[in-house]
Amino acid sequence: GESVGLHLPTLSVQEGDNSIINCAYSNSASDYFIWYKQESGKGPQFIIDIRSNMDKRQGQRVTVLLNKTVKHLSLQIAATQPGDSAVYFCAQGEAGNMLTFGGGTRLMVKP
Amino acid sequence: KAGVTQTPRYLIKTRGQQVTLSCSPISGHRSVSWYQQTPGQGLQFLFEYFSETQRNKGNFPGRFSGRQFSNSRSEMNVSTLELGDSALYLCASSPTTGNEKLFFGSGTQLSVL
Repeated sequence: GESVGLHLPTLSVQEGDNSIINCAYSNSASDYFIWYKQESGKGPQFIIDIRSNMDKRQGQRVTVLLNKTVKHLSLQIAATQPGDSAVYFCAQGEAGNMLTFGGGTRLMVKP
Repeated sequence: KAGVTQTPRYLIKTRGQQVTLSCSPISGHRSVSWYQQTPGQGLQFLFEYFSETQRNKGNFPGRFSGRQFSNSRSEMNVSTLELGDSALYLCASSPTTGNEKLFFGSGTQLSVL
């Protein structure tokens, strides 16, 4: 089946630094990609999404980059804060089908 | 608006038993999806319901079933529980089918002893 994977299972950054979380995907037919954040004891929370016809999208302190040539997705978090500590999942989807989630990357922010 | 509500929050069952989990979607959302989350397998799609009809189904055995009511509330049932069914079961809702921008509940943590 299709898969979505992550390069790094754990990322440790200093508070105030920028964080970059990477994701590789295999389904080139995906219409959209989504990043979710999951804090301990909670369900995944939507962060930002990007359509397959875009290569960059910005939100509040977050930027998602999509490189379809190498099937790579990244989430950049500016000025990382302790509240950003969580597990981050990338997910890909096609219209009418369910989302496929990656394995997750744990982001640890050091004060 | 209230978020997605899942009950119960925690469950402990023994092998062979069956269990029913409940999910109330965000008001106005008609699509409900269920996911199983384990440390080893990550988030695995179980099924999606829209307007009381199952639209998509993941690769899980028939012991896993679900349904959706006319008010969009959903239940999932696992029969003949196995140790490997221990997991966090997450429910997500969205306004329409297609699973974009899923809104997740906090999940039901099921432990099978």
